[in-house]
Amino acid sequence: QVQLVQSGAEVKKPGASVKVSCKASGYTFTGSYIHWVRQAPGQGLEWMGSINPKSGGTNFAQKFQGKVTLTRDTSITTAYLELNSLTSDDTAMYFCAKESGDLILIDWGQGTLVSVSS
Amino acid sequence: SSELTQDPAVSVALGQTVRITCQGDSLRRYYASWFQQKPGQAPILVVYGRNDRPSGIPDRFSGSRSGNTASLTISGAQAEDEADYFCHSRDSSGLQYVFGTGTQVTVL
Repeated sequence: QVQLVQSGAEVKKPGASVKVSCKASGYTFTGSYIHWVRQAPGQGLEWMGSINPKSGGTNFAQKFQGKVTLTRDTSITTAYLELNSLTSDDTAMYFCAKESGDLILIDWGQGTLVSVSS
Repeated sequence: SSELTQDPAVSVALGQTVRITCQGDSLRRYYASWFQQKPGQAPILVVYGRNDRPSGIPDRFSGSRSGNTASLTISGAQAEDEADYFCHSRDSSGLQYVFGTGTQVTVL
């Protein structure tokens, strides 16, 4: 069965960077895009971007261009989200999700809480 | 701000029908998917495409689209349907994706 297992919670200071991982199993990693979605406390879902694990090609929401780096390591079937220049506004739960078709996100990671505080 | 607008909250009596709407220009060209999210949990896809459901989603969940509005209908709402619901589609450029503002559904 498909599983996406994300790395654990992070606490960072303003200005720092953070890298969240999403370990995929149960399917062909290079066959499906991985999307990243964030949710600030008490707020809605926000699409951040996606990566094609086969080519490494990425697509970002305008808001996150320059702020976010998406990478992958096909040898260990893991996708990564890196956020730089963290501020308190980046405090949120970050989810990865596997695309099964356009707008079809059936399989999700458990989420990684990133807290930014001085 | 999101390009997909939803009513913040709706309520429905147990066993009755509720429709949740999502408005945005991109919906004239693209379908919306719908996600259910309960506190502390990852979102769950309940409807996608013209009106398809992933395996395991009850058939009381259905989707439709008309003009710039996509709708999710819960027919015969159950207590376990109380959750936040988010629509999801492409943005007006068609190049990126966006979520709706979300609707909190209360089952009375």
